[in-house]
Amino acid sequence: NAGVMQNPRHLVRRRGQEARLRCSPVKGHSHVYWYRQLPEEGLKFMVYLQKENIIDESGMPKERFSAEFPKEGPSILRIQQVVRGDSAAYFCASSPLGGETQYFGPGTRLLVL
Amino acid sequence: AQSVTQPDIHITVSEGASLELRCNYSYGATPYLFWYVQSPGQGLQLLLKYFSGDTLVQGIKGFEAEFKRSQSSFNLRKPSVHWSDAAEYFCAVGVGKTSYDKVIFGPGTSLSVIP
Repeated sequence: NAGVMQNPRHLVRRRGQEARLRCSPVKGHSHVYWYRQLPEEGLKFMVYLQKENIIDESGMPKERFSAEFPKEGPSILRIQQVVRGDSAAYFCASSPLGGETQYFGPGTRLLVL
Repeated sequence: AQSVTQPDIHITVSEGASLELRCNYSYGATPYLFWYVQSPGQGLQLLLKYFSGDTLVQGIKGFEAEFKRSQSSFNLRKPSVHWSDAAEYFCAVGVGKTSYDKVIFGPGTSLSVIP
């Protein structure tokens, strides 16, 4: 069984560019979560999505960040006009409907120059 | 406010020694509790979880954790550490309407193992 897949694994952007991070959940999972991990810190919740719906985005910065989980295809975390402070590891997790445990992907490490 | 604290930022133990990683949480209701492990450059792997029932839970790789409601703690233990256990360990609590709505992570404890 394929676990949660994230791509790219590493992404380098210059300030002002857009970063697009993809997450394919475990097959059959309908819930996706995004977390950000800054250097030397734990994971911080960003957003929780179900297919075509944002359930909880209380951890998302108000500007420049957006997330979607379309009916078909992977979940996308989009960061517009990146700044150096956006450099971090971004992890995606998924769970099935009614599931109690989140399964994590390997993360995307974003570096903003 | 809900929170998770891991008092030890870094712990070093000798291979074969016992291990206990501390975790305290702040949450008004009965918590859903997790321990995850993260190897360098990798994602998180679930070690064990507590939802209800027996307060001593067994996980993978020989780890166990005990939920103590009176102390708001969920400490992780292993009787004999292996060099491959060197990693970052995160305690987490599920605080949403259900356990999976939102998970709050502690800051992590970095474990080093001396041969």
